[in-house]
Amino acid sequence: DQQVKQNSPSLSVQEGRISILNCDYTNSMFDYFLWYKKYPAEGPTFLISISSIKDKNEDGRFTVFLNKSAKHLSLHIVPSQPGDSAVYFCAASRGGADGLTFGKGTHLIIQP
Amino acid sequence: KAGVTQTPRYLIKTRGQQVTLSCSPISGHRSVSWYQQTPGQGLQFLFEYFSETQRNKGNFPGRFSGRQFSNSRSEMNVSTLELGDSALYLCASSLRGGGGHYGYTFGSGTRLTVV
Repeated sequence: DQQVKQNSPSLSVQEGRISILNCDYTNSMFDYFLWYKKYPAEGPTFLISISSIKDKNEDGRFTVFLNKSAKHLSLHIVPSQPGDSAVYFCAASRGGADGLTFGKGTHLIIQP
Repeated sequence: KAGVTQTPRYLIKTRGQQVTLSCSPISGHRSVSWYQQTPGQGLQFLFEYFSETQRNKGNFPGRFSGRQFSNSRSEMNVSTLELGDSALYLCASSLRGGGGHYGYTFGSGTRLTVV
C-alpha cells in the first residue's frame, strides 16, 4: 500500500515556464512534508518542507502548497531553469523516529 | 564541513554472501538513517540510529541489520544476499533524527549488485 504517490513519472516543461509537481498521500497521521531533488549518482538533496499547520511555504523560486482536506501537496518552480532537470521526490513524516515515506519520484525535464 | 561519506560506492556480491556498508555522518550529527532505493519500490526506510541505539526499523526482513558506534559512524549489514537486494543504499545524517523534521543530509549511496 503506497502511502505517498507521485502519479506522474515524468514531466517536461519549457525553460522559463512554471513547473508543477504533484503528490498525494493517504495517511492522515503525516504532519510534515518535504521535497527532495536527486541527480543521477548522487544522494537526494533537501529542497523545501512544510508543516501540516501551514498551507504554503516559499523559498526563492520554490513554493510548496499543502491541501490537507484533499491530502495533496504540490511543488511549484518559477521560473524553471535547465539545472532544475532532476528527479523530484515527495516525502512525508509522522514525526518521532519513523523515518520518511517517499513517493516514487517525478523526473522533471526542462527543455530549452 | 565534510558531507556524509558512504563506502564503498560500488559493490558486487554473489547470492548467499553477506555485505557490510559504512556511513560516516556529518561531524556533530548524532543520528544516522538508512534507506534502500530500487526502481520498483522507490526509496524505503530501513532503520534509524541515534546515540548508538536503533530507534525504529522499517518493514524489512531480519537479514537487514545495522549498528552505530560511539563516534556516530554507522554500518549496515545484509546477510544471505538475494538478487532482490540489488539497490542503491543511502545513508542520511541529521542532528537529532526524527523523520527528517530536523533536516536530513544524504550521502551519495552505495550501489550494491547481487549476482
